[in-house]
Amino acid sequence: EVQLLESGGSLVQPGGSLRLSCAASGFTFSNYAMNWVRQAPGKGLEWVSVISDNSVYIYYADSVKGRFTISRDNSKTTLYLQMNSLRDEDTAIYYCARAAPDTRILDSWGQGTLVSVSS
Amino acid sequence: DIQLTQSPSFLSASVGDRVTITCRASQGISSYLAWYQQKPGKAPKLLIYAASTLQSGVPSRFSGSGSGTEFTLTISSLQPEDFATYYCQQHNTYPITFGQGTRLEIK
Repeated sequence: EVQLLESGGSLVQPGGSLRLSCAASGFTFSNYAMNWVRQAPGKGLEWVSVISDNSVYIYYADSVKGRFTISRDNSKTTLYLQMNSLRDEDTAIYYCARAAPDTRILDSWGQGTLVSVSS
Repeated sequence: DIQLTQSPSFLSASVGDRVTITCRASQGISSYLAWYQQKPGKAPKLLIYAASTLQSGVPSRFSGSGSGTEFTLTISSLQPEDFATYYCQQHNTYPITFGQGTRLEIK
């Protein structure tokens, strides 16, 4: 069974930093591209970033480019999101999501971790 | 970026009803469209991809159609567990984009 477990969310002040983790199990992590998707309270889904299986390609949404960094450690089957220069509008539940092979279809999702940016 | 517009944003229906949700893309995306279901407090769940392919384990009352810029999700006979929010997503190119969502509530 595919399992994705996010952690690292918390309350942080504007301008602060946070690192999210997503521990994967139940599948061969190194064979899949992984994504971060966020959802602000009461709002819709917003794609944040993707990293390919071997970290060769990485893309970001314009809203986070230059502030967030996605990475992965295939030996630890873990996905990361380093979030710097956080803003109020970054407040959201952050989900990690697996992409089906060679697609941008998000076929498995974690339960999410809440990031709150507030002074 | 490809914009996706769903209609309606809110839908009230009864158990047993047939409902259709539409998703329009700002440019042609062939059949690269997926649909997700999200219940309160839960992660989204993939229902349909490539416009009309049902994800494994999804009930056959769900169906999708369309290509190019106009797509539909149809639920043939609503069940109590279907009341949720539905999102379309284009999987044609990065950045991945989602529709704004359609909230389906019990009448």
